[in-house]
Amino acid sequence: AIQMTQSPSPLSASVGDRVTITCRASQGIGNALSWYQQKPGKAPKLLIYDASSLFGGVPSRFSGTGSGTNFTLTISSLQPEDFATYYCLQNYLFPRTFGPGTKVEIK
Amino acid sequence: EVQLVESGGGLVQPGGSLRLSCVVSGLSIRTYAMNWVRQAPGKGLEWVSVISDSSESTSFADSVKGRFTISRDNSKNTVYLQMNSLRAEDTAVYYCVKPKYQLLLDSFDVWGQGTTVTVSS
Repeated sequence: AIQMTQSPSPLSASVGDRVTITCRASQGIGNALSWYQQKPGKAPKLLIYDASSLFGGVPSRFSGTGSGTNFTLTISSLQPEDFATYYCLQNYLFPRTFGPGTKVEIK
Repeated sequence: EVQLVESGGGLVQPGGSLRLSCVVSGLSIRTYAMNWVRQAPGKGLEWVSVISDSSESTSFADSVKGRFTISRDNSKNTVYLQMNSLRAEDTAVYYCVKPKYQLLLDSFDVWGQGTTVTVSS
């Protein structure tokens, strides 16, 4: 199975900060990666698909880059509603695998 | 608006069985593969299973292979997860999820609210 890792975790930041989360795959997955945001007690929400495409309705401060084994999710200016846990998911092979999550905390 | 509503969760003893259902409204699932994802208390997300649009293909996480089965009834716009030989480590919130496109491997654009399964004596 493809192993997904994320860093850092947790991530402490302040409102207005530029935040970058990294996701690495144990083998190349092309651009078959998506990012999700999850708040406590809620279902995850899709942010980014195909590594860099912004899902409809998601604020433009979110962006994704990468291909192969290295991917990043960037929040250009962290807002209060962005404090949450972020997961990457590989869409390349079964079994599907999520990263362990990155919790973005208030500094 | 597309909505996925799971049901069937509850408290079950180790070794027991449960059947989860996911009813979809707002679109026909006939051309979509459908998935289940779970989250143990305080833990991350774990993909569980997928079923293709025609039910020809299924796949499972190693942790549930041989114990869980997935099925669907397109006429009822419903997906099922039959869970047998349940273990304490199956305790989790189970989410039904829809792919963004009509692909077996795809990102998940719509999630249900989840149903809680607790395996305990």
